[in-house]
Amino acid sequence: GENVEQHPSTLSVQEGDSAVIKCTYSDSASNYFPWYKQELGKRPQLIIDIRSNVGEKKDQRIAVTLNKTAKHFSLHITETQPEDSAVYFCAAALTDSWGKFQFGAGTQVVVTP
Amino acid sequence: EAQVTQNPRYLITVTGKKLTVTCSQNMNHEYMSWYRQDPGLGLRQIYYSMNVEVTDKGDVPEGYKVSRKEKRNFPLILESPSPNQTSLYFCASSPVLSGANVLTFGAGSRLTVL
Repeated sequence: GENVEQHPSTLSVQEGDSAVIKCTYSDSASNYFPWYKQELGKRPQLIIDIRSNVGEKKDQRIAVTLNKTAKHFSLHITETQPEDSAVYFCAAALTDSWGKFQFGAGTQVVVTP
Repeated sequence: EAQVTQNPRYLITVTGKKLTVTCSQNMNHEYMSWYRQDPGLGLRQIYYSMNVEVTDKGDVPEGYKVSRKEKRNFPLILESPSPNQTSLYFCASSPVLSGANVLTFGAGSRLTVL
């Protein structure tokens, strides 16, 4: 089955700097890669996703890149702000079967003013 | 308002006392799933359901049961809870046929088993 590894587990960045979180997956058939943000005491919420037919997707200050050959994808946050402090989870899924939805272990991002 | 509702939000119970965590969604989603969240382990899938009367095991199904008798409801049952099931539980749903694939999570249920 699918296995998703996420690094780093914690990330401390200065406000205004960029943050990068990386994930690798094991099942080459996976074709959907979302990122979820979980603020303290809240539920996870989707912030961006990418499908296997594209290599990069941007939404304002966040972007996701996908390398299908290497089986890894990354989340990039530019110009970080204190409200970006949260736990971020990557995930991988196969939309054709849409059964198991495998999450990474999460990255605690702390943005210091 | 489109939402996933879980109850109870907080529960303290004792070993062996059967309990049910309810999950209901009002978005007519086909797919529903349960996760447990533990520090350093992320979100681990317990069970999922593709539609009514269709359920399957996730990565950590031991000690849990589910049922999907109606499209909107997907209760999580702990027949004989043990302390290692102390965790934060999330229910989530998603449309399948539309291809949107976005998981909508409930607010979470924090369970403590003494």
